[in-house]
Amino acid sequence: EPEVTQTPSHQVTQMGQEVILRCVPISNHLYFYWYRQILGQKVEFLVSFYNNEISEKSEIFDDQFSVERPDGSNFTLKIRSTKLEDSAMYFCAIRDRAADTQYFGPGTRLTVL
Amino acid sequence: GESVGLHLPTLSVQEGDNSIINCAYSNSASDYFIWYKQESGKGPQFIIDIRSNMDKRQGQRVTVLLNKTVKHLSLQIAATQPGDSAVYFCAEIPVSGGYQKVTFGTGTKLQVIP
Repeated sequence: EPEVTQTPSHQVTQMGQEVILRCVPISNHLYFYWYRQILGQKVEFLVSFYNNEISEKSEIFDDQFSVERPDGSNFTLKIRSTKLEDSAMYFCAIRDRAADTQYFGPGTRLTVL
Repeated sequence: GESVGLHLPTLSVQEGDNSIINCAYSNSASDYFIWYKQESGKGPQFIIDIRSNMDKRQGQRVTVLLNKTVKHLSLQIAATQPGDSAVYFCAEIPVSGGYQKVTFGTGTKLQVIP
């Protein structure tokens, strides 16, 4: 199973501040995803990223969100101006071209105060 | 709309017994299904998958059954252990749809009674 790490494990921020969540896949992968899980709810798709561009995004992924892979390794999710309702666990997932299975990282808990 | 849902939100099982977790899906375009296990404070962990051209697949202590006629998916865990306590999500993926976003169900909490 591919290894995925995420940093930070917990981020506390004030409403209106920018946050950047990072995902580091240990091996080279082609497909990257961000999901979020509000406490007690199901995991929701945010965005998929392939060939250095967004391939699909959900309604949740509005103009306040952006993703990039700046150095060919880290995969980041940026929230420009956080809102209280952005508080959630954010999971990065990866997938190889040869397989359909997505493997998830341990998540970053974002708390917006 | 299309959705994936679970019949039982909480399941309590005696240690050593078998567990069966059920899931209903409604997107007939889904080609691929996965069961994930999520322990408290952790990310979803892959357990087992099945493609739409199969009706059964077995792993180590786990079996997934797919009934496309009634759009039903189940996860069977044999000889349930305390370490199996977690929330289990079924998830569906329309493989032919492109970039394969995972649609998760609402989850079933499995409690193993020692």
